[in-house]
Amino acid sequence: KAGVTQTPRYLIKTRGQQVTLSCSPISGHRSVSWYQQTPGQGLQFLFEYFSETQRNKGNFPGRFSGRQFSNSRSEMNVSTLELGDSALYLCASSWNRENTEAFFGQGTRLTVV
Amino acid sequence: EDKVVQSPLSLVVHEGDTVTLNCSYEVTNFRSLLWYKQEKKAPTFLFMLTSSGIEKKSGRLSSILDKKELFSILNITATQTGDSAVYLCAVVDPYTGTASKLTFGTGTRLQVTL
Repeated sequence: KAGVTQTPRYLIKTRGQQVTLSCSPISGHRSVSWYQQTPGQGLQFLFEYFSETQRNKGNFPGRFSGRQFSNSRSEMNVSTLELGDSALYLCASSWNRENTEAFFGQGTRLTVV
Repeated sequence: EDKVVQSPLSLVVHEGDTVTLNCSYEVTNFRSLLWYKQEKKAPTFLFMLTSSGIEKKSGRLSSILDKKELFSILNITATQTGDSAVYLCAVVDPYTGTASKLTFGTGTRLQVTL
């Protein structure tokens, strides 16, 4: 059974650019969540998509956006990159049921220079 | 706003020691708490706790939840160098009860030395 797949694994971008990250969930999972992990703030929730709709959103500026496709694959986009956006971006997929865990991908390491 | 606090922030022990990691939480409507292990990048699931006082056990790892005092502990006995990792505690979305939205603590970095 394939796990959660994130691409690319590494990215280096310049301030002001934009970036798109991709996440393919475990087959059958319709909920896809995105997290930002930095040394100072830990793992912080960005947003969650379920059935192509954003269902939950964390406290991040509007430069962070996402979408989900009909096959449950999700993308997140960050526009006008800032140095502080350098982080590990993790995607997780889960069943939309209580008492079930979330499964994480290997993450995308974004460095903004 | 839901809050999860883990302690200690970091810990260095010798192989064979027993360690206890702590996680306290303040949530509007507690549903369940999860423990993850993060070695390099992808956090991997360890335990889910929903009821108070029930111990979950897997090999040398065990965890218990105290819903009255609002905390959980993760115990690792006979530690090995392979246990070196960041251990993360999280609570699930208080409204749906699902793991679609997790609130994490900052984690405990455990280093096991020979």
